[in-house]
Amino acid sequence: AQKITQTQPGMFVQEKEAVTLDCTYDTSDPSYGLFWYKQPSSGEMIFLIYQGSYDQQNATEGRYSLNFQKARKSANLVISASQLGDSAMYFCAMREAGNEKLTFGTGTRLTIIP
Amino acid sequence: DGGITQSPKYLFRKEGQNVTLSCEQNLNHDAMYWYRQDPGQGLRLIYYSQIVNDFQKGDIAEGYSVSREKKESFPLTVTSAQKNPTAFYLCASSILVGGPQNEQFFGPGTRLTVL
Repeated sequence: AQKITQTQPGMFVQEKEAVTLDCTYDTSDPSYGLFWYKQPSSGEMIFLIYQGSYDQQNATEGRYSLNFQKARKSANLVISASQLGDSAMYFCAMREAGNEKLTFGTGTRLTIIP
Repeated sequence: DGGITQSPKYLFRKEGQNVTLSCEQNLNHDAMYWYRQDPGQGLRLIYYSQIVNDFQKGDIAEGYSVSREKKESFPLTVTSAQKNPTAFYLCASSILVGGPQNEQFFGPGTRLTVL
């Protein structure tokens, strides 16, 4: 069974600093995908970044990068040069190949301090 | 503009009443999903559909029903059998391509409150 763990319920970070949000996962399927979503106070889920289990390089999308450590089963999200607009809930999610189900972690509430 | 619309944004229901949440997408996606989100928790899958006139139960389908008569539409009915329906409901859609990489696009959500 697939499982996602986010151990940081909340984080406070100074504006312009980098921040790492932790995510560990558990699966027995060798083919899977990892996703990060941002949920602002409005409630909508915004897709940020994707990492496939067979991808050789860590995924990057603008200020977002994914620190993928397959042996440790971790997929941490790194946000560089944080901005006030980054304040939101962040969810890590996983899908196994051939399975339509996307399993979410419990999320981390990130607050950027001016 | 392409996207997913959910209506209404806020919904109030009396105990014992059924209520239907709307979800429409114009992204031409094959798959659609319904999630429930409770405070302090992640999203949990209620139902999903990969093709018209077919759908599958997710992890918490009890007390809910869906239909998929059109590709663009996937309404969710919260029945009186759902014991604790107050929650935030999110609809999503995605393309269907082999492999796990298909991201899901989400609507703005409906916040349901049972009075």
